[in-house]
Amino acid sequence: AQSVTQLGSHVSVSEGALVLLRCNYSSSVPPYLFWYVQYPNQGLQLLLKYTSAATLVKGINGFEAEFKKSETSFHLTKPSAHMSDAAEYFCAVSVSGNKLVFGAGTILRVKS
Amino acid sequence: DAGVIQSPRHEVTEMGQEVTLRCKPISGHNSLFWYRQTMMRGLELLIYFNNNVPIDDSGMPEDRFSAKMPNASFSTLKIQPSEPRDSAVYFCASRPGQGTDTQYFGPGTRLTVL
Repeated sequence: AQSVTQLGSHVSVSEGALVLLRCNYSSSVPPYLFWYVQYPNQGLQLLLKYTSAATLVKGINGFEAEFKKSETSFHLTKPSAHMSDAAEYFCAVSVSGNKLVFGAGTILRVKS
Repeated sequence: DAGVIQSPRHEVTEMGQEVTLRCKPISGHNSLFWYRQTMMRGLELLIYFNNNVPIDDSGMPEDRFSAKMPNASFSTLKIQPSEPRDSAVYFCASRPGQGTDTQYFGPGTRLTVL
């Protein structure tokens, strides 16, 4: 079975600062990994996904994530936070792309 | 293009009543997923369809829950009878192809069972 652990239910950064949201996964087979963002009262939107090609994945809105097999991690980063980045972020793992197993989510707060 | 459409957006009902949630996937997408989001359990997959056929319903909590997809443009999730612990946000998502193609989520239905 697959699982995802997101370290930190809440992360607060200043505008312009580095954003780092942590995700560690567990999977018995090579996984596919995803980051989604959820704005208040909206559905989830895909930021980026890892599907066994390049280990450094670039997504929308300036976000990127690096797949590190040795660390079983897929941390999400953005060099400079914007106020509009404030949202909840979910990491998800799948072995087939069908059943996504989500982490508990991390709420990102951006301070002006 | 219209995204995934869900109705109603909010539903308040009393325990014991039947609840039907509706979803219209993006045109041309051939996979459809129902998820539930709660504070306690987070986001969990309930069931998914491929080409209108249920493929995996292992996440459906119990027999009170049922889902149908009578055609490529419509799906329902029914709860009968509803219980307060069913209160959650229910999301529908659709996907154009197979595997790791992106799942596109609807805005969700917030269900409150009193």
